[in-house]
Amino acid sequence: ETGVTQTPRHLVMGMTNKKSLKCEQHLGHNAMYWYKQSAKKPLELMFVYNFKEQTENNSVPSRFSPECPNSSHLFLHLHTLQPEDSALYLCASSQDLDRLQYFGPGTRLTVT
Amino acid sequence: GENVEQHPSTLSVQEGDSAVIKCTYSDSASNYFPWYKQELGKRPQLIIDIRSNVGEKKDQRIAVTLNKTAKHFSLHITETQPEDSAVYFCAASIRSGGSNYKLTFGKGTLLTVNP
Repeated sequence: ETGVTQTPRHLVMGMTNKKSLKCEQHLGHNAMYWYKQSAKKPLELMFVYNFKEQTENNSVPSRFSPECPNSSHLFLHLHTLQPEDSALYLCASSQDLDRLQYFGPGTRLTVT
Repeated sequence: GENVEQHPSTLSVQEGDSAVIKCTYSDSASNYFPWYKQELGKRPQLIIDIRSNVGEKKDQRIAVTLNKTAKHFSLHITETQPEDSAVYFCAASIRSGGSNYKLTFGKGTLLTVNP
């Protein structure tokens, strides 16, 4: 259960705040992912990084800014968010892009 | 396209009954099909997976079947229990360009097992 960790687990922020979500994987994987999961909705893939390079950006608004300094760490920088951005943000990692993904526990984000 | 379609979106069964969730995929070259279970407030976790060289795989009350010709795979849960209540996601490795593949998820099925 500790292969992929995320901090913080819960975050409440105002629309003018700047905050960052952190993900770390201890599995030696090459690919990392950010997903958004709103209440009763499917997993929405946001960003994909493979060997530290961004390979996918699914039309995510620029108020979400990812950063992948190395294959073990992934950040999601947040600024001027909207209330509809409130959701569970899940990080995942995998050995390769077509392999099993292991998920972190998620960050429950509330934008007020 | 590269979608994975999952049905039904919600499923309600009585305790002890069986539950079946189906997914279809479009890429005949897809070769890996995991199933995840996500309990309320928790992360999605792998419960069973199957590769394209196998038609069926079982693990206690859970089984997955794969029909490569029809390009669909199904999750079967027998003797359902209330703790089986969760959202279940299927996934398939889908070609994303050239010889590259990526894991693509279905939209999920909310399974409710009524005592």
